[in-house]
Amino acid sequence: SYELTQPPSVSVSPGQTASITCSGDKLGNKYVSWYQPKPGQSPVLVIYQNSKRPSGIPERFSGSNSGHTATLTISGTQAMDEADYYCQAWDSSTAVFGGGTKLTVL
Amino acid sequence: QVQLQESGPGLVKPSETLSLTCTVSGGSVSSGGFYWSWIRQPPGKGLEWIGYIFYSGITNYNPSLKSRVTISVDTSKNQFSLNLRSVTAADTAVYFCARTVGTSVYEFDLWGQGTLVTVSS
Repeated sequence: SYELTQPPSVSVSPGQTASITCSGDKLGNKYVSWYQPKPGQSPVLVIYQNSKRPSGIPERFSGSNSGHTATLTISGTQAMDEADYYCQAWDSSTAVFGGGTKLTVL
Repeated sequence: QVQLQESGPGLVKPSETLSLTCTVSGGSVSSGGFYWSWIRQPPGKGLEWIGYIFYSGITNYNPSLKSRVTISVDTSKNQFSLNLRSVTAADTAVYFCARTVGTSVYEFDLWGQGTLVTVSS
């Protein structure tokens, strides 16, 4: 089965740029979405189709996908961005999620 | 605005069937262009897609759960439901329902808050 690999954790200082990677075989040939679940809240779609931002998502969130790696980039990271982030792609009509990355803003 | 709300028992015994319902408000499950998914997250673990349904009844399930899962839709109640049979402790998780949008590629653009289901005797 298809697998997506994310680093367990990423740390960033407030105001700096955070990059969260997601790796998978020929991932660049697929569309990747990114989700932000927070405890007790509905998970939020922050990036879809590799680089598109849904309405209401701040411009500081951006995404890219090439080769075997997709990247979620958060520019000017704020304390409110501290959360888990999951990448997701489709393979053989099955939705696959990465293992998740905990973003710490310190 | 469209909202999704999960409901169902918070405790299920091993070997029994887990049954959850997602009620859609502010919109219709019969809206073309949307699929309706179930996704779960075991405590301390990552997200796992369970499957989706279209209002016509077309379904697609995660192969890892396909033998135990049934997703159904009730357009008259504007709801869709999950049945997971023969549960074990490994099925303990927060279960989310989510709207699934797209044509050839899909994303989960709207989620419920989730409901914790514990499998224990």
